[in-house]
Amino acid sequence: KNQVEQSPQSLIILEGKNCTLQCNYTVSPFSNLRWYKQDTGRGPVSLTIMTFSENTKSNGRYTATLDADTKQSSLHITASQLSDSASYICVVEGSSASKIIFGSGTRLSIRP
Amino acid sequence: SAVISQKPSRDICQRGTSLTIQCQVDSQVTMMFWYRQQPGQSLTLIATANQGSEATYESGFVIDKFPISRPNLTFSTLTVSNMSPEDSSIYLCSVEKDTGELFFGEGSRLTVL
Repeated sequence: KNQVEQSPQSLIILEGKNCTLQCNYTVSPFSNLRWYKQDTGRGPVSLTIMTFSENTKSNGRYTATLDADTKQSSLHITASQLSDSASYICVVEGSSASKIIFGSGTRLSIRP
Repeated sequence: SAVISQKPSRDICQRGTSLTIQCQVDSQVTMMFWYRQQPGQSLTLIATANQGSEATYESGFVIDKFPISRPNLTFSTLTVSNMSPEDSSIYLCSVEKDTGELFFGEGSRLTVL
């Protein structure tokens, strides 16, 4: 069964600190992996998208990594800001009929 | 990118009634989707809205409950029919551009009393 699991479920850190969110998936065959940020009450916004041949991709203070062999991805946030408080969703797209699978998200709270 | 407008942004409805949500995109797109996001959970695909033909529904979702229209490449509607409190959720319109990237609307927050 195609699955996407994220950890931790929730995380609280102090402003200015770094953090890393994890995503493990079993989707196969694999096409691409995406990270989205969803602010409360808003729709998800794309942060990064990586194909199987890409190991890392950055978007400002956000850096995503991908290990297609171990089927793991991480999202690293550097020098966190209060505006980073949101849910971060890992999304994996299969290259056949396995479609797009959403993780349950990590709820990140940044404290001043 | 894609700018997606959804209406209404939120509504409170009575049990047994129906509500239609509109989704307008600022450019023509082939792939358009409707998702549901229940409180505290991630997104679940309801259906793919096909232009000029019937929508393709995911397991657990049926046309009688969630009729969808897609009259052209920039517009779609989702109706939530005969609502019950279990239908209280956020409903999101999404489009996929040629790059493969998904863009989402702001969502329509529905509360059924």
